Amino acid sequence: AQSVTQLGSHVSVSEGALVLLRCNYSSSVPPYLFWYVQYPNQGLQLLLKYTSAATLVKGINGFEAEFKKSETSFHLTKPSAHMSDAAEYFCAVSDLGSGTYKYIFGTGTRLKVLA
Amino acid sequence: NAGVTQTPKFQVLKTGQSMTLQCAQDMNHEYMSWYRQDPGMGLRLIHYSVGAGITDQGEVPNGYNVSRSTTEDFPLRLLSAAPSQTSVYFCASTELRGLYYGYTFGSGTRLTVV
Repeated sequence: AQSVTQLGSHVSVSEGALVLLRCNYSSSVPPYLFWYVQYPNQGLQLLLKYTSAATLVKGINGFEAEFKKSETSFHLTKPSAHMSDAAEYFCAVSDLGSGTYKYIFGTGTRLKVLA
Repeated sequence: NAGVTQTPKFQVLKTGQSMTLQCAQDMNHEYMSWYRQDPGMGLRLIHYSVGAGITDQGEVPNGYNVSRSTTEDFPLRLLSAAPSQTSVYFCASTELRGLYYGYTFGSGTRLTVV
């Protein structure tokens, strides 16, 4: 079965600093990987997705993620944090290659941006 | 507005009561699913459906039933609520091929079982 692990349940950065949120996956087949963002009291919103077209994926709000097969990682980055980036971020993997249709989420990383 | 609509937004139940969480989408998506979100545990898949008349279990199906009689609706039933089912519930949908491209989420139902 596929799974994702998000390292660090809470991350704090200063406004203007680099944002790095870590995600490692486990998969026996080529994965489809995603990052979602959840603002307080809202549903989840798709930030970006990896579907094997390119290893560096650009998303909304200046975020990007790089797929590294050798490290089984899909870390999320943003060069300069903004106060509005404060939210919870979820990494997810789509378990399609095994013939099922499960979409598995990590446990989330809450990003705090300090003024 | 097109999207996924969940009702109610908030609900308080007593232990042993039953209720149905409603989920409807107007995008003609084949795939629909229910997740529960608990602090420190992320989103865990309860049940999902790949089309009308077809449902399957996710990671945490116990205590929940689903059915899919139409493409648009995917209700989640709690037959006998327990405090352990206190959570925020999200419904999500996508085209089957859209599993490669991401979900559309509802805004959630916050359920408290006392």
